[in-house]
Amino acid sequence: KNEVEQSPQNLTAQEGEFITINCSYSVGISALHWLQQHPGGGIVSLFMLSSGKKKHGRLIATINIQEKHSSLHITASHPRDSAVYICAGTGNQFYFGTGTSLTVIP
Amino acid sequence: ETGVTQSPTHLIKTRGQQVTLRCSSQSGHNTVSWYQQALGQGPQFIFQYYREEENGRGNFPPRFSGLQFPNYSSELNVNALELDDSALYLCASSRLDNEQFFGPGTRLTVL
Repeated sequence: KNEVEQSPQNLTAQEGEFITINCSYSVGISALHWLQQHPGGGIVSLFMLSSGKKKHGRLIATINIQEKHSSLHITASHPRDSAVYICAGTGNQFYFGTGTSLTVIP
Repeated sequence: ETGVTQSPTHLIKTRGQQVTLRCSSQSGHNTVSWYQQALGQGPQFIFQYYREEENGRGNFPPRFSGLQFPNYSSELNVNALELDDSALYLCASSRLDNEQFFGPGTRLTVL
């Protein structure tokens, strides 16, 4: 069992839909990261949060420390949001989820 | 553009050889982390360096070693390459315990 679990593994949405990706972790972490990886490999850090909620444009990330759960929401999804979204926790080391592959169809 | 660069972009080696991958950190960052990402899988943490000292290590054998230099650039060395070492190797720079900025990666193929 991975220390960090994501769901769903794959997600297909129509352009404009509201999208939620979930992340649960079983280890002690000091921060939770949401990363975006496009085909070809480049990774971009979207959020780093240790409590509450952060918003950047159409992206919102929340974390519930007690429940060891985080969510990434995308409002008004767009085909350019198609990518793999990875959550990762920083503790004694960096624990990665297996990623959620998102495809947004025009 | 994150300001983090890696070299080379691609590399092909044969089993048993040694390889050195390089990473230049973003200005002002004193921490560098290295990750291995096999095809179709999520990244795996290799190790982290903070101010030239190893500051955490994942489940990788000792043939994976690293260095961080006074200018905070870094090297990842892998000895006795195995076929399973074929992967995308990513480095990320940050200030300790802060948001990480990823480089574009080095794709290593071991034949």
